[in-house]
Amino acid sequence: DSGVTQTPKHLITATGQRVTLRCSPRSGDLSVYWYQQSLDQGLQFLIQYYNGEERAKGNILERFSAQQFPDLHSELNLSSLELGDSALYFCASSPQTGGYTEAFFGQGTRLTVV
Amino acid sequence: GQNIDQPTEMTATEGAIVQINCTYQTSGFNGLFWYQQHAGEAPTFLSYNVLDGLEEKGRFSSFLSRSKGYSYLLLKELQMKDSASYLCAVHQNAGNNRKLIWGLGTSLAVNP
Repeated sequence: DSGVTQTPKHLITATGQRVTLRCSPRSGDLSVYWYQQSLDQGLQFLIQYYNGEERAKGNILERFSAQQFPDLHSELNLSSLELGDSALYFCASSPQTGGYTEAFFGQGTRLTVV
Repeated sequence: GQNIDQPTEMTATEGAIVQINCTYQTSGFNGLFWYQQHAGEAPTFLSYNVLDGLEEKGRFSSFLSRSKGYSYLLLKELQMKDSASYLCAVHQNAGNNRKLIWGLGTSLAVNP
């Protein structure tokens, strides 16, 4: 158990809908990272938050947004869902933002868009 | 641009040694990670190299050559449970934007 909790574990929804994925980082970790993993694209970095502020941005679509709350949990919002958004979404946390340390991954949310 | 290359698949025999290579081309290199990922599970950290040379940790070792843009993960005394995908990830430090860039992973099958 990495100490990172993601909910829900599975999500099935229809195209055009909006979903929210939730992540609770390890106790004391200030950085949260969101990743998307699909069979053909591998693990893609989406976005990073550090202590409530956006710190780095990767290949995140405009239809997607995220935030980190004062209690350090984070949510990833996916809207106007398309079939191609079906993937595993991972959250990871680490203690700091610079001088990169290892990231601890949650078990992921498997999103299926039908 | 930035690019990370790993072999897609490898096969090895239980008890043997296997070397998984990773080559990268990226600006702002600030270290390289290896992660293990079993199917449908979360990646787990194996190693981190930022200086040239070999880092050994039990049955697993990782090597880095910054001048060649090259790393490898060495797995010794292979066990069936080592069948997994092995992901190489480069830490890119581009100003205020630090992020990990991931390879597509090498799927390793360990046969009895």
